Amino acid sequence: EPEVTQTPSHQVTQMGQEVILRCVPISNHLYFYWYRQILGQKVEFLVSFYNNEISEKSEIFDDQFSVERPDGSNFTLKIRSTKLEDSAMYFCASIWTPNGGNTIYFGEGSWLTVV
Amino acid sequence: DAKTTQPNSMESNEEEPVHLPCNHSTISGTDYIHWYRQLPSQGPEYVIHGLTSNVNNRMASLAIAEDRKSSTLILHRATLRDAAVYYCILRDPPFGNEKLTFGTGTRLTIIP
Repeated sequence: EPEVTQTPSHQVTQMGQEVILRCVPISNHLYFYWYRQILGQKVEFLVSFYNNEISEKSEIFDDQFSVERPDGSNFTLKIRSTKLEDSAMYFCASIWTPNGGNTIYFGEGSWLTVV
Repeated sequence: DAKTTQPNSMESNEEEPVHLPCNHSTISGTDYIHWYRQLPSQGPEYVIHGLTSNVNNRMASLAIAEDRKSSTLILHRATLRDAAVYYCILRDPPFGNEKLTFGTGTRLTIIP
């Protein structure tokens, strides 16, 4: 079964520091996503990415967030200056094409704690 | 986005069948019905999806009402490992809404 892998699984960072969360999507997939889930709350969409550019982003995805696909295999989420409220589980996901009948595959998540 | 309504929580005994309902009365003719689940401290996991006909796979069955305004996820024999939050999500075909929008889902508790 193909899988999306994420690193790190858990990171603790000081407020104001930059954080990079890494993802390796499934190899033949073309669309990539980041979601987040604050403890006890819903899974929330952050951003989708296709053909080396953002195709859609939510209100949460403000100027402190950025995404990149630096080398054709990794997909990264950068938070420039972390805030306490950025503490959450961040999930990467990918899909071959976003046809309604296709499946989005999620990684196991990166748990970010900002102190 | 067309919305779905699910019960907040359900309980079932281990090794019994479980029927998880979902209402989607505003579903459009081209929306697919997807089910995902999220085990504790894990990412969402695909379970099953369908458009009009009932579907079966190794994890579950999906029964879709004839008018498509509701559907039921069926776990034929629940195990403790099936304890999770189950999400019923509608998705458009290409160039529609490409992301998944998660609701609060149904928290399924399995009683040993």
